[in-house]
Amino acid sequence: QQQVKQSPQSLIVQKGGISIINCAYENTAFDYFPWYQQFPGKGPALLIAIRPDVSEKKEGRFTISFNKSAKQFSLHIMDSQPGDSATYFCAARSGNQFYFGTGTSLTVIP
Amino acid sequence: EAGVTQSPTHLIKTRGQQATLRCSPISGHTSVYWYQQALGLGLQFLLWYDEGEERNRGNFPPRFSGRQFPNYSSELNVNALELEDSALYLCASRQRPTAPYGYTFGSGTRLTVV
Repeated sequence: QQQVKQSPQSLIVQKGGISIINCAYENTAFDYFPWYQQFPGKGPALLIAIRPDVSEKKEGRFTISFNKSAKQFSLHIMDSQPGDSATYFCAARSGNQFYFGTGTSLTVIP
Repeated sequence: EAGVTQSPTHLIKTRGQQATLRCSPISGHTSVYWYQQALGLGLQFLLWYDEGEERNRGNFPPRFSGRQFPNYSSELNVNALELEDSALYLCASRQRPTAPYGYTFGSGTRLTVV
């Protein structure tokens, strides 16, 4: 049973465009929602995170939008660059454990 | 500060053999988590160790086991290897189970079973 559902599975965006990745969950006990970025041959690295009492968090070109009532959150990458090409995972924490989405492979075309 | 280190980077084993993967957490981190990342399946939780004890395990058979040593490093053992065990095995650490931030991952061990 996938606790966090992520879409799309893959995404192709032109340089300068906006990349949007969506995640949904059911467990209302989740209290922390990070996004991870993974380059080939590397482990996932924490990119940005949000708590459910905040509707939006922005760090540079990366923004998390959080809709508590809909139990959805999304990652927006503004002005996408070829260097952003990677796999992105959303996650959610309950207690001492994190649950991950299945990942989105993002390709930014120059 | 050194990150989470995993060894070996790559491991090739024959079906039926045993594999041992190692992880050293960030200094001061007491919790170690193991994940399996198989192609197209995302990150599947395997095991969680804290203060030398197994705290939780995911939906994997008993041939996946491990331990945590007094210095908080950890070992993942996979017995009776099967072809479908081929995956990237990631170790992550956290300062303590209740730390407010997320995991720090290592670069993983790529296990190939032939």
